[in-house]
Amino acid sequence: EAQVTQNPRYLITVTGKKLTVTCSQNMNHEYMSWYRQDPGLGLRQIYYSMNVEVTDKGDVPEGYKVSRKEKRNFPLILESPSPNQTSLYFCASRAGPIQGEQYFGPGTRLTVT
Amino acid sequence: AQTVTQSQPEMSVQEAETVTLSCTYDTSESNYYLFWYKQPPSRQMILVIRQEAYKQQNATENRFSVNFQKAAKSFSLKISDSQLGDTAMYFCAFMKTRRGTYKYIFGTGTRLKVLA
Repeated sequence: EAQVTQNPRYLITVTGKKLTVTCSQNMNHEYMSWYRQDPGLGLRQIYYSMNVEVTDKGDVPEGYKVSRKEKRNFPLILESPSPNQTSLYFCASRAGPIQGEQYFGPGTRLTVT
Repeated sequence: AQTVTQSQPEMSVQEAETVTLSCTYDTSESNYYLFWYKQPPSRQMILVIRQEAYKQQNATENRFSVNFQKAAKSFSLKISDSQLGDTAMYFCAFMKTRRGTYKYIFGTGTRLKVLA
């Protein structure tokens, strides 16, 4: 089954404790992206990757890091989480530069206290 | 910079009735995609319908159709014969079709409630 998986689905952590949210897709997609969803703000793009070792900032990259060492994986790293990073996070992938449809993961609910 | 505006934070409709959700966008691009996504209480993002800007014909998917007005930069979603399962948050999204970029811009969403 074609899918995007994220782990963990729920995470409660404390300020400053480094964490990683994993994202994996089994569709051999070139493009992958991370979004955060906040009430009243919709989804905002954090980082995206157009291929292995190729990443770029989205609209809200501050406080986040990403890496793309393998085509299927695109982890999101919070080196020093803060309460304003409490949010719902989505990973998504897309086949290529022209194909429009994104496939979304199930979301990760992160709470930073 | 591109922007997407959904001016209706909440809407409700009676079951079996028709409802239209509005979306406007701003861009200087000539080639792009527009999308409507549905997010039910499960939080999963589900693609409802997509429209390529170069296509003049409005996209339709069963009970869902769009009214795409490129000159007016408007992209509304019409849901016919509304069902209880249509209750969800709906997001309009814009993507420019250009190599070397993967930028999506989402609107702030419209919460739709279908009433029995």
